[in-house]
Amino acid sequence: DAGVIQSPRHEVTEMGQEVTLRCKPISGHDYLFWYRQTMMRGLELLIYFNNNVPIDDSGMPEDRFSAKMPNASFSTLKIQPSEPRDSAVYFCASRLAGGPGSSYNEQFFGPGTRLTVL
Amino acid sequence: QQPVQSPQAVILREGEDAVINCSSSKALYSVHWYRQKHGEAPVFLMILLKGGEQKGHDKISASFNEKKQQSSLYLTASQLSYSGTYFCGTEIAGTYKYIFGTGTRLKVLA
Repeated sequence: DAGVIQSPRHEVTEMGQEVTLRCKPISGHDYLFWYRQTMMRGLELLIYFNNNVPIDDSGMPEDRFSAKMPNASFSTLKIQPSEPRDSAVYFCASRLAGGPGSSYNEQFFGPGTRLTVL
Repeated sequence: QQPVQSPQAVILREGEDAVINCSSSKALYSVHWYRQKHGEAPVFLMILLKGGEQKGHDKISASFNEKKQQSSLYLTASQLSYSGTYFCGTEIAGTYKYIFGTGTRLKVLA
């Protein structure tokens, strides 16, 4: 398996522009997570999906952020309009279901997208 | 709500040992440990599901004290490849929602 795939790997954009980050989870995984990582705030969970349905989006910082999962093999995280404080590394991760606390708890992370908003 | 890790950073010589602690103000349902090398994604090391559980992975092991809401990661006879940032993490009970700790940067020198 190719693992979790994210694109683009790097994105530089100007304030006010729309940004779309893409993720392909590992085939067969039931859960997909979007994280944001910054020096100040560490690794934060933004939203997660189960079988393509958003379960918890309480970590999404503002209405400027939206995420979709139209099918089991694709998810997007969109920022519109983007601001300099959105600059961060965005990770997508996936995992199998198995019950909270089960031995299937390993999350597999994608390589991340480094976003810079000027 | 985010688990607090200590120390924040540590520098070791090859062959030395280190302990990284993870402490939560809320009950820990389970504890996971990940390592992230610079510029890469976090990689799963191990999970501890029950209080008192201890696990080992090569020369890296961990313990989980459920009562104290703490977990510790032990790195024995450290190698250069151990360098990176270590994160503990936990699930909110009954959900798949993860919260990661503050992170510990570890650097092993030759």
